[in-house]
Amino acid sequence: EVQLVESGGGLAIPGQSLRISCSTSGFIFGDYGMSWFRQAPGEGLEWIGLVRAKASGGTAEYAASVKGRFTLSRDESKGIAYLHLNSLNIEDTAVYYCARVLYSDFWSGSQYFDYWGQGTLVTVSS
Amino acid sequence: QSVLTQPPSVSGAPGQRVTISCTGSSSNIGAGYDVHWYQQFPGSAPRLLIYSNNNRPSGVPDRFSGSKSGTSASLVISGLQPEDEAGYYCQSYDTSLSGPVVFGGGTWLPVL
Repeated sequence: EVQLVESGGGLAIPGQSLRISCSTSGFIFGDYGMSWFRQAPGEGLEWIGLVRAKASGGTAEYAASVKGRFTLSRDESKGIAYLHLNSLNIEDTAVYYCARVLYSDFWSGSQYFDYWGQGTLVTVSS
Repeated sequence: QSVLTQPPSVSGAPGQRVTISCTGSSSNIGAGYDVHWYQQFPGSAPRLLIYSNNNRPSGVPDRFSGSKSGTSASLVISGLQPEDEAGYYCQSYDTSLSGPVVFGGGTWLPVL
């Protein structure tokens, strides 16, 4: 059974950093890209970024809204994807989700997300 | 302001047919990129409902269907059930600076 479990959310003061983990099981982690999303209270879904599968170079791509502040990484030996949140501000308060990536068109990068974690809440407040 | 436009809310009674629209532009749906749909219950993670315009993952009831035409897509729920009360999001790929992954703002579906 495919499972994704986020951890590491919590309360942060503006300017601080946090690291969220997405622990996976039930599939070959190295074969899949992992994407991250967030959902502010009462709002819709926002894509944050993607860290590609090892076979695709393991490179990362980011939404313009977080580029330069957030960093994605992955540990192939542990099957864990990480989201590093730096220079947090109040607008970063949200539930953060990780999800497994599938491609509807690999060459264009058109993708969708078949399994999601349960989410972890990050609250940024002074 | 979401790149894909959905109605904030649609409603229906049990047994009815409900359609949720998702309108994009020439940089996403109109460029031929697939549309995917997710269902989200309050307090829970999204669940993949329809992928690549009209495909249902295993376990999704066949009362859910999707279609795409031009710059728009639709999610249809035939024979609405009380347990379908949830939020629904469309998602596609976008070649503009807003992309590459874009969502609709979500549609809340109360089952009356």
